[in-house]
Amino acid sequence: HLQMQESGPGLVKPPETLSLTCTVSGASVSNNSYCWGWIRQPPGKGLQWIGSICYSVNSYYNPSLESRVTISIDASKAQFSLRLSSVTAADTALYYCARHPRWYPDFDYWGQGTLVTVSS
Amino acid sequence: QAVVTQEPSLTVSPGGTVTLTCGSSSGAVTSGHYPYWFQRKPGQAPRTLIYDATNRHSSTPARFSGSLLGGETALTLSGAQPDDEAEYYCLLSYSGAWVFGGGTKLTVL
Repeated sequence: HLQMQESGPGLVKPPETLSLTCTVSGASVSNNSYCWGWIRQPPGKGLQWIGSICYSVNSYYNPSLESRVTISIDASKAQFSLRLSSVTAADTALYYCARHPRWYPDFDYWGQGTLVTVSS
Repeated sequence: QAVVTQEPSLTVSPGGTVTLTCGSSSGAVTSGHYPYWFQRKPGQAPRTLIYDATNRHSSTPARFSGSLLGGETALTLSGAQPDDEAEYYCLLSYSGAWVFGGGTKLTVL
């Protein structure tokens, strides 16, 4: 069955770039019926959608983060990635990858999440 | 960017009814925001309960219902069970950008 696993550094220094990868098994990231998204949850706060990418379609981002975010996909590795530049302490959060149908936020599969702390 | 607001916490008695609400700082919530409701239990990923304001997901128990009322979207739980104790998040769409509310921690006590 489908599994998703986030990976990447747990500690990032400001104002460097945060880079995370989500590896998907049990499904193809090139399936045009689905898109692949990133969501985060800062400590003690609610969820925030960061952005999503659909294979063969442009990625789309939360406007509040758009200037700093890039999401890309590598179908050959069954992975998609998040890059968030110029990080600050406010970017400290539990980062999740998740799958959803194209254009609908019906997130049906999630990774377990990875904690990223931004600190010098 | 709009802020989506929810009650931080609510308590309901077993068998009771409770309504969670979700509002938008940009004005009334409408069907055009395609409201979603998610349930999240500790240690688990969120799961979709309601989509497009009023539609139950295939796995959502009938005791959960969604509505649009008074400029907000609402999730009503009728006949609360101990297993319903969880965090509940709404999500609104703003021209393709998705914004979650801060979440409501529901206690069944």
